[in-house]
Amino acid sequence: EAGVTQFPSHSVIEKGQTVTLRCDPISGHDNLYWYRRVMGKEIKFLLHFVKESKQDESGMPNNRFLAERTGGTYSTLKVQPAELEDSGVYFCASSQDQFGHSARGGEQYFGPGTRLTVT
Amino acid sequence: KNQVEQSPQSLIILEGKNCTLQCNYTVSPFSNLRWYKQDTGRGPVSLTIMTFSENTKSNGRYTATLDADTKQSSLHITASQLSDSASYICVVSEGYGGATNKLIFGTGTLLAVQP
Repeated sequence: EAGVTQFPSHSVIEKGQTVTLRCDPISGHDNLYWYRRVMGKEIKFLLHFVKESKQDESGMPNNRFLAERTGGTYSTLKVQPAELEDSGVYFCASSQDQFGHSARGGEQYFGPGTRLTVT
Repeated sequence: KNQVEQSPQSLIILEGKNCTLQCNYTVSPFSNLRWYKQDTGRGPVSLTIMTFSENTKSNGRYTATLDADTKQSSLHITASQLSDSASYICVVSEGYGGATNKLIFGTGTLLAVQP
């Protein structure tokens, strides 16, 4: 079974440009999450999709970030216009069950991340 | 404020030795606690998941403990191998049963196992 994949693995853009990150979750996983790790800091939650609907987008830093999940399959995260502080590693994760209180329920499987550098 | 703190920040040990990583959290409501291993350039991979009623969970040479009263957890690695070199991240799931659970991450402990 294929894991979570992300594209591209690396992206270097100039301040003010636009970048779109893509995430393909594990097939059949309704839940898709985006996270970000800024250098020296912990991984932080950005948002959570259940199928094509945004369940929780409380972690999105500002309106320069737009996430979509058309058709409830893959997701894109667009940053427009990019700023220097947007540099970091963006992780995507998917899960079958959003309820994390059980031992296996809510197990999230992470992709390898996209390293974004804004210069 | 919900937080997860880990210690030490980094650790160097010799191959074959044991080590213990620590995690303290102030997350409420608490759903479960997870330890992840993150190799360089890869995404985090789950090692263990424990609910509040579980106080120990093993996965091969990895053993996690949880004290829900003191809000502390530890990850013990036995007979370390070179492949154990990675960042180990403590993650607490915030939320009630039936609600969306949000993961709160620690900054990780960077472990280097030397031959």
